[in-house]
Amino acid sequence: QVQLVESGGGWVKPGGSLRLSCAASGFTFSDYYMSWIRQAPGEGLEWISDISSSGTSIYHADSLKGRFTISRDNAKSSLYLEMNNLRAEDSAVYYCAIQGYDETSPFGPWGQGTLVTVSS
Amino acid sequence: DIQMTQSPSTLSASVGDRVTITCRASQSISRLLAWYQQKPGKAPELLIYKAASLESGVPSRFSGSGSGTEFTLTINSLQPDDFATYYCQQYHSFSRTFGQGTKLEIK
Repeated sequence: QVQLVESGGGWVKPGGSLRLSCAASGFTFSDYYMSWIRQAPGEGLEWISDISSSGTSIYHADSLKGRFTISRDNAKSSLYLEMNNLRAEDSAVYYCAIQGYDETSPFGPWGQGTLVTVSS
Repeated sequence: DIQMTQSPSTLSASVGDRVTITCRASQSISRLLAWYQQKPGKAPELLIYKAASLESGVPSRFSGSGSGTEFTLTINSLQPDDFATYYCQQYHSFSRTFGQGTKLEIK
């Protein structure tokens, strides 16, 4: 059974940093592209970043490039999102998702999400 | 970035109705479009991929169509479990984008 469990969310002050993790199980993690997507309270979905199965190809939303960095550790079946210089508008539920064997794949399944709150 | 525009933003319908949601892309995305269902407090779930392919386990009352810039999601014979928010998403461009969502409400 595929399972994605995000962790690392919480409250942080503006300008602070957080590292989110996504622990994967139930599938061969190293075979799949993975992604981060977020959803601000009461708002729609916003794609953040994709990473290829090997980690050699990375795609970021232009609006977040430079502050957010995706990475993965295939030996640990884990996906990460390093977030720096956080702003109030980064407050959201952050989801990890399987993207498929290549970049021409949709997102699914998704994890349950981890909430990030940026506030002073 | 490719802009995705869904209509309507809100849709009121009754159990047993047939409903259609439209998604328009600002440029051609071939058939690289997905539809997701999201219930309150839950993660989105994939319903349709490649515009018209039904994800495993999704009821056959859901169907998708379209190509290029115009796409539709149709739900036949609405069930109580179908009242949720639906999002389209293009994966033609490396900069993925979602529609703003359509909330399907009980009339």
